[in-house]
Amino acid sequence: GEDVEQSLFLSVREGDSSVINCTYTDSSSTYLYWYKQEPGAGLQLLTYIFSNMDMKQDQRLTVLLNKKDKHLSLRIADTQTGDSAIYFCAESPTSGNTPLVFGKGTRLSVIA
Amino acid sequence: DGGITQSPKYLFRKEGQNVTLSCEQNLNHDAMYWYRQDPGQGLRLIYYSQIVNDFQKGDIAEGYSVSREKKESFPLTVTSAQKNPTAFYLCASSGGAGGDTQYFGPGTRLTVL
Repeated sequence: GEDVEQSLFLSVREGDSSVINCTYTDSSSTYLYWYKQEPGAGLQLLTYIFSNMDMKQDQRLTVLLNKKDKHLSLRIADTQTGDSAIYFCAESPTSGNTPLVFGKGTRLSVIA
Repeated sequence: DGGITQSPKYLFRKEGQNVTLSCEQNLNHDAMYWYRQDPGQGLRLIYYSQIVNDFQKGDIAEGYSVSREKKESFPLTVTSAQKNPTAFYLCASSGGAGGDTQYFGPGTRLTVL
């Protein structure tokens, strides 16, 4: 079955880059997603990448996809204290409004 | 203003009582989902519905029930059969031009007293 793995914690200093990694198992995934969750809130869609792309950049966010290794990463440049949150990776294993498969989330702590 | 609303934000329930959590969307999405999140845990899928009048069990459906009588609404009932219902409940929807991309509501925190 599908599975998505992430490390649970990451701590970085303010101004440094953060890299959050994710591995997935379903090679037929069409889209891969990154969501952000702040304390007591719902999940906010940050960005997504189509499976035929290697990289996507959106302001401070860079997503890299290595389809051969089934590895996805999210890089946050110039990390700020407001970036402290839980980041979830998710894959879309099939099309047609089927549930995404989520990782357990990586808690990013930004130290001032 | 398009989006997903969940109410109430906080809910307290006595043991043995059923309680219903509301989820409404005006995004014209066909699919809706309910997840449960426990402290320090990821999301666990309770139920989902791909179309009106149809829904499927997720990974942890026991002790929960849903209905999908309208496209916009997908209420979740936490029954007294759910042994440990205290958790954060998240509703999401997907469809239209967004495809499988899920958009989430702000969540309801349920506490059993």
